[in-house]
Amino acid sequence: GAGVSQSPSNKVTEKGKDVELRCDPISGHTALYWYRQSLGQGLEFLIYFQGNSAPDKSGLPSDRFSAERTGGSVSTLTIQRTQQEDSAVYLCASSLAGIDGYTFGSGTRLTVV
Amino acid sequence: AQKVTQAQTEISVVEKEDVTLDCVYETRDTTYYLFWYKQPPSGELVFLIRRNSFDEQNEISGRYSWNFQKSTSSFNFTITASQVVDSAVYFCALSEARSSGSARQLTFGSGTQLTVLP
Repeated sequence: GAGVSQSPSNKVTEKGKDVELRCDPISGHTALYWYRQSLGQGLEFLIYFQGNSAPDKSGLPSDRFSAERTGGSVSTLTIQRTQQEDSAVYLCASSLAGIDGYTFGSGTRLTVV
Repeated sequence: AQKVTQAQTEISVVEKEDVTLDCVYETRDTTYYLFWYKQPPSGELVFLIRRNSFDEQNEISGRYSWNFQKSTSSFNFTITASQVVDSAVYFCALSEARSSGSARQLTFGSGTQLTVLP
């Protein structure tokens, strides 16, 4: 597609359940990023994939968070045993090396009740 | 460690006024990129500009202009003759530049909520 696609756009889950968030980057973009934006906060880096290199997981807040990127394209962010503090908008972005800017998706709004 | 500070949490102006959004950054990198993004009420982040640390030329794009001053580690954003549609949260961001020319992950400021009143 023309932009970065994220699904679902909204997700309500019960505390303790696992959730999967999906990101479909722009075709050909080798870099993919996940960020989290909590209510009234800035954006917090979570994880970064670049081509076939090992991902940079330095931003993941706990071992309940994991992400994978299959075939250098679609990425899935998994949160296990969700907690209320996980409620946030999860944003995905992709970029083509050396090209201006990152293109962000519309995000997935996660609400843990 | 990298840090971006946007000291202005909220700004309100009346339409047609000029407004400057401040951004101050900290980094130990000699090569880095600076960005501005706009987040309208719809929530999607819209890329506005990327500036390379070697390029201190100011840039103008329509009603938008950016003032990059390495000496004060600032990258301020000015909107001239503001319009109601400019109302949004504006984020400044910083990234280390990789040797390949691409950028690493972004470190964002906390954002400035701009409200333009009719």
